[in-house]
Amino acid sequence: EADIYQTPRYLVIGTGKKITLECSQTMGHDKMYWYQQDPGMELHLIHYSYGVNSTEKGDLSSESTVSRIRTEHFPLTLESARPSHTSQYLCASSLAGTVAYNEQFFGPGTRLTVL
Amino acid sequence: DAKTTQPNSMESNEEEPVHLPCNHSTISGTDYIHWYRQLPSQGPEYVIHGLTSNVNNRMASLAIAEDRKSSTLILHRATLRDAAVYYCILGGAGGTSYGKLTFGQGTILTVHP
Repeated sequence: EADIYQTPRYLVIGTGKKITLECSQTMGHDKMYWYQQDPGMELHLIHYSYGVNSTEKGDLSSESTVSRIRTEHFPLTLESARPSHTSQYLCASSLAGTVAYNEQFFGPGTRLTVL
Repeated sequence: DAKTTQPNSMESNEEEPVHLPCNHSTISGTDYIHWYRQLPSQGPEYVIHGLTSNVNNRMASLAIAEDRKSSTLILHRATLRDAAVYYCILGGAGGTSYGKLTFGQGTILTVHP
């Protein structure tokens, strides 16, 4: 079992609200990632971090922001939610191990609906 | 990034072997081949990875063609719990791509009782 947690699992919220999706892992992994996945569609990387105080934009542009103040915690924030942000958000982490070792462990996801 | 091509869907019967193909004709010498799967309503989970030689683990086997332009994920005895979307991903080594995975559409595997 992967020790990576996401809260909330489901969130329904009105347009214009500020939201923070939580992601925590207890495996001591340096690398953490956020993916966005619409129903039946591909996962797209939106943010990643290689360690504390390191954050980078992913392959898909996103209006969300992330922070990495602690190794185990990688929250994602939307300052003003819109219906276009409705999606599933998946958090993942991996070891900073050997050069090609990048097995990622995924959390259960947060399904966000913005009305 | 080098791309992979997988069939959109495949079907199998329970307790039969399943061979899931993946083509990656533009694979580079440093690319590992990774397989993940995503069960319904869950996040993806790692299945197996390899570079040149065939690999076995408790979940599956990975057969890699000699020219590395294709690979096959083998589930030896499919169970209903194996019904999922299977992703074949090339993982680069080093540079800005290190650690990042690019998921494609994957193959939807349906397992019949």
